[in-house]
Amino acid sequence: AQSVTQLGSHVSVSEGALVLLRCNYSSSVPPYLFWYVQYPNQGLQLLLKYTSAATLVKGINGFEAEFKKSETSFHLTKPSAHMSDAAEYFCAVSNFGNEKLTFGTGTRLTIIP
Amino acid sequence: DAMVIQNPRYQVTQFGKPVTLSCSQTLNHNVMYWYQQKSSQAPKLLFHYYDKDFNNEADTPDNFQSRRPNTSFCFLDIRSPGLGDAAMYLCATGDLGLVDTEAFFGQGTRLTVV
Repeated sequence: AQSVTQLGSHVSVSEGALVLLRCNYSSSVPPYLFWYVQYPNQGLQLLLKYTSAATLVKGINGFEAEFKKSETSFHLTKPSAHMSDAAEYFCAVSNFGNEKLTFGTGTRLTIIP
Repeated sequence: DAMVIQNPRYQVTQFGKPVTLSCSQTLNHNVMYWYQQKSSQAPKLLFHYYDKDFNNEADTPDNFQSRRPNTSFCFLDIRSPGLGDAAMYLCATGDLGLVDTEAFFGQGTRLTVV
């Protein structure tokens, strides 16, 4: 069975500060890992994905994440937060890129002006 | 440009009155998924279709059914909605024949039960 743990259901950062959202996974097979963003009353938009290629993955809107097998982690970062980054962020895992996803409980990111 | 389209975006239904949510795709993907997302919770998979093969998750209530009449369309039927079924319902598609791809989500349908 696969699972994802997101530490911190709420994270607040100042505009221009570093964003760090944490995700740890558990998987019995090499995982595919994803970060999705969700704005209020919207669907899920893919930020980035890890599919066993490069361990440092760059996504949209300046986000990136690093796959660390030894730590079973896939933390999401952005060097400088923007007001438009305020949203809910979900980490997810699957066996293959397009198989059913198991999501973490989400982290709500608030940006302080 | 929308590739996964869900209709309607907002649906209000009465307690116990059957309701159907719709999802269509232009990607020609062989898999279509339905997720339920309750307020402030993670999306939870209800079931999925791989082509015409229906795959139900073990803990999906019998009250939830699905139909996929063709590749492009998939429907979620809630036979007798209860107050606890109020949620955002997300449709997603995927292609199991492709490597290094991902699921594509629609904008969701927010269901209110009154």
